[in-house]
Formats: sequence, C-alpha cells, structure tokens
Amino acid sequence: DSGVTQTPKHLITATGQRVTLRCSPRSGDLSVYWYQQSLDQGLQFLIQYYNGEERAKGNILERFSAQQFPDLHSELNLSSLELGDSALYFCASSVEPSGRVGTDTQYFGPGTRLTVL
Amino acid sequence: AQKITQTQPGMFVQEKEAVTLDCTYDTSDPSYGLFWYKQPSSGEMIFLIYQGSYDQQNATEGRYSLNFQKARKSANLVISASQLGDSAMYFCAMREPWGGNTPLVFGKGTRLSVIA
Repeated sequence: DSGVTQTPKHLITATGQRVTLRCSPRSGDLSVYWYQQSLDQGLQFLIQYYNGEERAKGNILERFSAQQFPDLHSELNLSSLELGDSALYFCASSVEPSGRVGTDTQYFGPGTRLTVL
Repeated sequence: AQKITQTQPGMFVQEKEAVTLDCTYDTSDPSYGLFWYKQPSSGEMIFLIYQGSYDQQNATEGRYSLNFQKARKSANLVISASQLGDSAMYFCAMREPWGGNTPLVFGKGTRLSVIA
C-alpha cells in the first residue's frame, strides 16, 4: 500500500458526460501528479499541483481540469467525455524536495479505470 | 523525442533465475533521477528502485538492483532469483532535474513472464 488513495476504482459512463476523480496524497506529501495510461499513448503526465497551486502541465486536454484543495486532496475533472478518454488514471504524490537525494520518489495510487461507452 | 527507451516488449525467465530489463535514456541535464516501477495485472504502479545521476554506487533494493552506466546512458534493472509474483509490466522512468518536483517520463514498458 503506497498510502495514496484514489476513488472510485472503476467508473463507467457515456460519451458527453462529466466525471470527477478524487485523490488523497500520502500524509506529508504536498505535490500531487495526475497521469493517464492508455494502450496507445502509454503513461502520460497530465498535470501537477503543489500545495494548492498548479505547478506543471503536460498533455492535458482543455476538457480536463484539476484542482488541489487546502487539505491537499486533489480532483481531476473530465468533461465532454469521448471514447478515447477511456484509460487508467493515476494520481501520484511526493514530498517537496529537501535537497536530500531520494526524497522525491513519486508514489502512485491504485488508479481509477474509466470506461466511456 | 523519446527520452526513455525500453527495447524489450516482452521477456520470459525461468523461476529462480536472474533477469535484466533494459532501459536507455536521453538527457542533456547533468542532474536527473531514474526510477523503475512494477505494474502487476491488478493495475497499481509499485515503486521498486531509483538511481540519482550523481550516485556513485549502483542502487540495490532486496532482489532488485540497477545497473547504471552513465556514459552509455543506460539504467538496466536486474531482478535476481525470479519469483512467479514478479510477472508484471516493468516501467523505466526519468525525472529531470533531479531533486525537483518534476513529472516522470516513462518508457513503454517490458512485460516480464516468470515460468515455473
């Protein structure tokens, strides 16, 4: 158990719908990352938050958005869903760098498997 | 440009034998970190081992060791005494610059099958 929790584990929805994926980082971790894993694109970085603020953006579609709340949990919102959005969505967390090598490992949650029908 | 290359889509290994999973990387930054993750069929991503670019010694974690050859830009994962439970996808990943909160860039993975 990595200490990162994600809900729900599975999500089945229809095209055009909107869903919200939730992530709680490990205790003490301030950074949250979202990744998408699909068969054709592999594992891709979507977006990162640090202590409530957006820190980096990757290949995230405009239909997708995220936020990190004061209690550090994060939500990824996916709207106007398309068949191609079906994927495994991971949240990962890590501590703020302290200058010590080895403190920045990203620990992954179990993922949310999204199926768009 | 592909930053992480895993050239072995699939590999087989006999139980109790050692196996090496290849990973080469591309970066011009002198400061970076290399990671290996395991993804069993259940789907979760499990952190196995890391290597910092300035580490003098190769990383080891139990049955996992990382054969880090900086000049060749390779970071191969060695699993000793393979077990049936080692059957999974294995991903090599890199972060640059090392020490910063930067996202991981993943390779396409290698599917390892351990045979009894």
